[in-house]
Parts: sequence; structure tokens; C-alpha cells
Amino acid sequence: DSGVTQTPKHLITATGQRVTLRCSPRSGDLSVYWYQQSLDQGLQFLIQYYNGEERAKGNILERFSAQQFPDLHSELNLSSLELGDSALYFCASSLSSGQGELFFGEGSRLTVL
Amino acid sequence: GENVEQHPSTLSVQEGDSAVIKCTYSDSASNYFPWYKQELGKRPQLIIDIRSNVGEKKDQRIAVTLNKTAKHFSLHITETQPEDSAVYFCEPGRRALTFGSGTRLQVQP
Repeated sequence: DSGVTQTPKHLITATGQRVTLRCSPRSGDLSVYWYQQSLDQGLQFLIQYYNGEERAKGNILERFSAQQFPDLHSELNLSSLELGDSALYFCASSLSSGQGELFFGEGSRLTVL
Repeated sequence: GENVEQHPSTLSVQEGDSAVIKCTYSDSASNYFPWYKQELGKRPQLIIDIRSNVGEKKDQRIAVTLNKTAKHFSLHITETQPEDSAVYFCEPGRRALTFGSGTRLQVQP
């Protein structure tokens, strides 16, 4: 158990819909990262928050947005969903922003039909 | 941004053989070099890491070597076992933003 909690574990929805993925980082970790992993693909960085502030942005689509709340949990919002958005979405946390071990959650598997 | 190349993309070895995976990066300021293992259907987990002030680190059957001059670091697994079968990712960035494309290791019993 990494200490990072992601919900929901599985989500099936239709094209055009909107979903929210939730992540609770390890206790004490200030940094939260979101990654997208499509089938048999690598880990694509989406966005990072550190202590409530956006710290870095990857190739995140405009239809996607995220935030980190004062209690440090984070949410990733995916809207106007397309078939190609089907993927495993991982949240990871670390103590600081920068070098150091990433602790991954179990992931949220999104299926868009 | 950081350019990361990981080779090979797939690797099949016989149980007991050694496996080596190489990661090449471009950011000369990188100073933390971890390797993550992702078993099928599971989350990635750190298996070993090295910082730029050392050239090699070992942990039982796993080792990581670093060549900062040439900007590459490698994962070495000796006496491979079926449970080593997984996808391995390097991540040479300073800010955990860029992972290698992954190496699928298959250990044949």
C-alpha cells in the first residue's frame, strides 16, 4: 500500500460526458502528479500541483483540468470525453517538488464508450 | 523539455540470465535517477534509485549504474526470476515529469 488513494477504481461513461477523478496523497506529501497511461503505453505526465499551486503542466488537453485543495487532495476533471480518453489515470505524490520517490495510487481506469 | 530514450523496448531472457536496460537523457542538470517497475495491472513502484554523486548502487539482484558524462544510466538485474517479468520505466528528470517509454521484460522459466 503506497498510501495514495484514488477513486473511483473503474469508471465507464459515454462520449461527451464529464468525469472527476479524485486523489488523496500520502500523509505529509505536498506534491501531486497526474499521469495518463493508455493501453500498452508509457506514463504521460499531465499536471503537477505543489501545496495547492500548479507547478508544472504537460501535454494536458484543454478539455482536462485539475486542482489541489487546501487539504492537499486533488481532482482531475475530464470533460467532453472522447473514445481516445480511455486510459488508466494515475495519481502520484511526493514529499517535495523535484527529485525523490514518487508514490503511485492504484489508478482510475476510465472507459469511454 | 527533457528528452528521454529507453532501450530496449522489449527484452526476453531465460530464467537465471542477466538483463540490462539503458536510459539516455538530455538534461545535464538531472541529479536523481530512479527506476520504476510496473507489474501487469498494477501501479508503478520504485525499485532502485541513484543520485548524481555516486556511480553505482546495488540492492541484492538489482543495480543501477550512472554515467553523467555520457548522460545515461542503466538498470541491471542478475539471476532473473519469473517474478521480474514486468515493465520497467526510467525517470531521469529533476521534477518527475518525463518517464522513459518503458521496457517490457519477460523472464522465461
